[in-house]
Amino acid sequence: EDKVVQSPLSLVVHEGDTVTLNCSYEVTNFRSLLWYKQEKKAPTFLFMLTSSGIEKKSGRLSSILDKKELFSILNITATQTGDSAVYLCAVARGSSNTGKLIFGQGTTLQVKP
Amino acid sequence: NAGVMQNPRHLVRRRGQEARLRCSPMKGHSHVYWYRQLPEEGLKFMVYLQKENIIDESGMPKERFSAEFPKEGPSILRIQQVVRGDSAAYFCASSPLGSGTTQYFGPGTRLTVL
Repeated sequence: EDKVVQSPLSLVVHEGDTVTLNCSYEVTNFRSLLWYKQEKKAPTFLFMLTSSGIEKKSGRLSSILDKKELFSILNITATQTGDSAVYLCAVARGSSNTGKLIFGQGTTLQVKP
Repeated sequence: NAGVMQNPRHLVRRRGQEARLRCSPMKGHSHVYWYRQLPEEGLKFMVYLQKENIIDESGMPKERFSAEFPKEGPSILRIQQVVRGDSAAYFCASSPLGSGTTQYFGPGTRLTVL
């Protein structure tokens, strides 16, 4: 059965800290891995990764994929209270007859002032 | 460019009633996906639709749930004879192309069944 597992499930840090969130997967016919940030509303898109070893970066956030070891990490440097959210990892399969994203359970990040 | 729109944002129904959830995709997007998020759980795929076609409904419960995406108008997720276990947040997402492309999510509809 396809599976996406995130760790840790929750994390509390102080402003200025750097955090690393993990996502491992076992999915047949892998196509891409996506990261989303979910506050009390819609999950907002952060990154889409398809190739191993290529870092995607946006401001203080960055992410990388390892297709050999089947995991991805999301790094947030110099954290701010506005980074507090649930971070979701999802995997898309390559089959053309499904648009299904398989989500992990999420990592809840709390950044304290 | 407006994002994915969902309405209502909150819906309260009594057991046995029907719930209708609406989703308007982003402009230019013709692929719509529905997900359900139960309390303390991750998002679970329900159904994937293109205009007038259901492409993948492998995540839909076999009974009481149906979805459509007509040629004109929003996509509708319909739940008949709701039960307390249907209480959840229902998210819609859309994408310009199909499988493997980025999905953009709406704000969700929070359904509460009394």
